[in-house]
Amino acid sequence: AQRVTQPEKLLSVFKGAPVELKCNYSYSGSPELFWYVQYSRQRLQLLLRHISRESIKGFTADLNKGETSFHLKKPFAQEEDSAMYYCALRGSTGTASKLTFGTGTRLQVTL
Amino acid sequence: NAGVTQTPKFQVLKTGQSMTLQCAQDMNHNSMYWYRQDPGMGLRLIYYSASEGTTDKGEVPNGYNVSRLNKREFSLRLESAAPSQTSVYFCASSVSGANVLTFGAGSRLTVL
Repeated sequence: AQRVTQPEKLLSVFKGAPVELKCNYSYSGSPELFWYVQYSRQRLQLLLRHISRESIKGFTADLNKGETSFHLKKPFAQEEDSAMYYCALRGSTGTASKLTFGTGTRLQVTL
Repeated sequence: NAGVTQTPKFQVLKTGQSMTLQCAQDMNHNSMYWYRQDPGMGLRLIYYSASEGTTDKGEVPNGYNVSRLNKREFSLRLESAAPSQTSVYFCASSVSGANVLTFGAGSRLTVL
């Protein structure tokens, strides 16, 4: 079975502070990991995926297979980063047609 | 380019009533999905259709049925609604497999 764990329901940081949204996964094969974001009154959308190894809106995430983690990081939080963030996993075989989401972390950036 | 369109946006049902949530995509995507979003539970997969003509159960299929009407449309039916099905329902699609998903705006369903 594939599982995604996001231990924090809410993360509150000050503007300009570093952000780290935690994501751990359980999967026996080689997964593909994603971060999706839902801004207020907007649709859920892809933020980044680990195979792209790119920075989107200043966010980065590195897949750590040893620790089975895919934490989302940003060095300096902005107000517009406030949103709901979901980590998601796609299996490599059999379950490659399914995307499993974590329970989500709400990021609140305050002045 | 509308992307993924869901109807209705809001619906209130009484226990035992039936209804169908409609979803259509205009991106020529092969795969389509229905998720439900509940506080503290994240998004949970109800059913998915990897390609036209196929449907499979996700994590929480009980109480739901789906129809992949054609490549564009994937509907979700509640035959006898229960209060536990009060949720926000999201339809999504992808080119192929659970790669990058494009989501609809969501349908908020309340069952009294």
